[in-house]
Amino acid sequence: AQSVTQLGSHVSVSEGALVLLRCNYSSSVPPYLFWYVQYPNQGLQLLLKYTSAATLVKGINGFEAEFKKSETSFHLTKPSAHMSDAAEYFCAVTNNNAGNMLTFGGGTRLMVKP
Amino acid sequence: DAGVTQSPTHLIKTRGQQVTLRCSPKSGHDTVSWYQQALGQGPQFIFQYYEEEERQRGNFPDRFSGHQFPNYSSELNVNALLLGDSALYLCASSHPAGGPGNGYTFGSGTRLTVV
Repeated sequence: AQSVTQLGSHVSVSEGALVLLRCNYSSSVPPYLFWYVQYPNQGLQLLLKYTSAATLVKGINGFEAEFKKSETSFHLTKPSAHMSDAAEYFCAVTNNNAGNMLTFGGGTRLMVKP
Repeated sequence: DAGVTQSPTHLIKTRGQQVTLRCSPKSGHDTVSWYQQALGQGPQFIFQYYEEEERQRGNFPDRFSGHQFPNYSSELNVNALLLGDSALYLCASSHPAGGPGNGYTFGSGTRLTVV
């Protein structure tokens, strides 16, 4: 069984401020973890993924995430928010027992204030 | 390199009707999965097709069915449409040789509205 919880359905930051989007997962076996971004009326774009290599994962657009097994977390961060970062962000999990089925969190809408 | 393409982009149907959505996977991918994303929610797994067979299925009723063709493209069919079927339907493709860690490439989706 696997699940994802994203704390905070809405997060608002000022332009230039740190972005922190939270994701906690549950997986009965070692997980593979993903962050996707969704802009209005579009599909999902992969930001980054954790596949049991380095625990600190760097992605596109300056985002990174750290896998913390002890905390079952995979929080997404970016040092300085840009207006173009405003979007919906989804954390997802799968594992070797789930085939390629992704289980998504409910999403976090990031708003960036000028 | 074309990514995942879905058609149509928008669709309006009446309750009780049937609908077919189409997906062409990314070049080199042979596995297609379908997800339903209701407004304000995360995507929910419907099913996955590989080698023209349904390999995995999520918690969706039999009204949801699919098909995969020899060229790896896929269709999602929904019968007896309900208002609650209104959602964005996402197609995602992958190659199983990469394992679950490979992730998916998603299309832009089909927005289905049932009235």
